[in-house]
Amino acid sequence: DAGVIQSPRHEVTEMGQEVTLRCKPISGHNSLFWYRQTMMRGLELLIYFNNNVPIDDSGMPEDRFSAKMPNASFSTLKIQPSEPRDSAVYFCASRPGTENYGYTFGSGTRLTVV
Amino acid sequence: GDSVTQMEGPVTLSEEAFLTINCTYTATGYPSLFWYVQYPGEGLQLLLKATKADDKGSNKGFEATYRKETTSFHLEKGSVQVSDSAVYFCALSRGQAGTALIFGKGTTLSVSS
Repeated sequence: DAGVIQSPRHEVTEMGQEVTLRCKPISGHNSLFWYRQTMMRGLELLIYFNNNVPIDDSGMPEDRFSAKMPNASFSTLKIQPSEPRDSAVYFCASRPGTENYGYTFGSGTRLTVV
Repeated sequence: GDSVTQMEGPVTLSEEAFLTINCTYTATGYPSLFWYVQYPGEGLQLLLKATKADDKGSNKGFEATYRKETTSFHLEKGSVQVSDSAVYFCALSRGQAGTALIFGKGTTLSVSS
């Protein structure tokens, strides 16, 4: 099992550019979560999907952020246009169907917007 | 609403000291409880869990007991090592299908030799 795979590991981009973060969940996991982590705000839930359907996107900071899950093995988080305050580590996590199991997190994408 | 409260950090200990990181929760129903650990530069890893009252989760020398009467899930280790230096997160699952975990703010542990 390769675990949750995120790409890229590091991304440096200029303000105003579009950024796309990618996630491949563990095969067979029904739920997928996107989190953002910063020193100031800690760990924030952005959005999550069950069976590829977005369930709760109330954590998405603004319309510049969007997330998709076109199939059970792939999800993207897009920021357009990016701003310096979006600099953070973005984590993807997946979980089997039952909530008594914990998440498996990816290694994260460190985004720096200059 | 449901929530998790962890003790403020950082916690600084010498090697072989006893560790306690406090975690209390507020929840309706019967949540499952988790501890996650995040080493520098890495994602969060599940450390241990307990799914019902009086259950004890354990892993790598760490333990936590699900105490419904005190709504607590404190993390303990009898003898910490430098390699235990990390951020520890307490979390709960609300027990409802398809819901997200609720995380505490994390407690940073620093162990010196």
